[in-house]
Amino acid sequence: EVQLVESGGGLVQPGGSLRLSCAASGFTFSSYDMHWVRQATGKGLEWVSAIGTAGDTYYPGSVKGRFTISRENAKNSLYLQMNSLRAGDTAVYYCARGRVGGSGSYLDWYFDLWGRGTLVTVSS
Amino acid sequence: EIVMTQSPATLSVSPGERATLSCRASQSVSSNLAWYQQKPGQAPRLLIYGASTRATGIPARFSGSGSGTEFTLTISSLQSEDFAVYYCQQYNNWLLFGQGTKLEIK
Repeated sequence: EVQLVESGGGLVQPGGSLRLSCAASGFTFSSYDMHWVRQATGKGLEWVSAIGTAGDTYYPGSVKGRFTISRENAKNSLYLQMNSLRAGDTAVYYCARGRVGGSGSYLDWYFDLWGRGTLVTVSS
Repeated sequence: EIVMTQSPATLSVSPGERATLSCRASQSVSSNLAWYQQKPGQAPRLLIYGASTRATGIPARFSGSGSGTEFTLTISSLQSEDFAVYYCQQYNNWLLFGQGTKLEIK
């Protein structure tokens, strides 16, 4: 079965760190760009990071310098290391598979496969 | 920065009727737009990409149209499983989602 399964969420204090994992199965993980997308409770979706098949990484300004995306193709796994966490980082974090949209722009993906998400709560 | 605006915020429609959801971009995104469906407690599901191409396994009652700044998702005859929140996402300039339209049963 083609699927993504996230893990590693939990409660962490402001300023703390957390590492999320995403296990992929049913497809050739190494052939796809992969992403993290988050959703605060009752809010919309926000793209958090991307990693290309060659290991190139991309971040929005809201997390750049605090979050690090990585992948381990031999284990079909995606990771998100989150440091200096803030209350505003509280959200469900989804792992998603990216497909190149063809716009030719710097960031050019839509997301055709999503995991069920893992909840990160930043609170004292 | 491009702003994606979805309207209405909530749409009430009876089963069997047609639903029309709107997504507007503050500047042109060409046809670089996707639509997703999200049910409570579930991950989003890709419905449409390239503004009008249905994703694999998506029923024909879902259709997308538009280009530039104005886009529409139409569900031709609502089924009970279609009541959910729908998001648009542009990938022409950065990766940005709209705030969603909640489609509820009338």
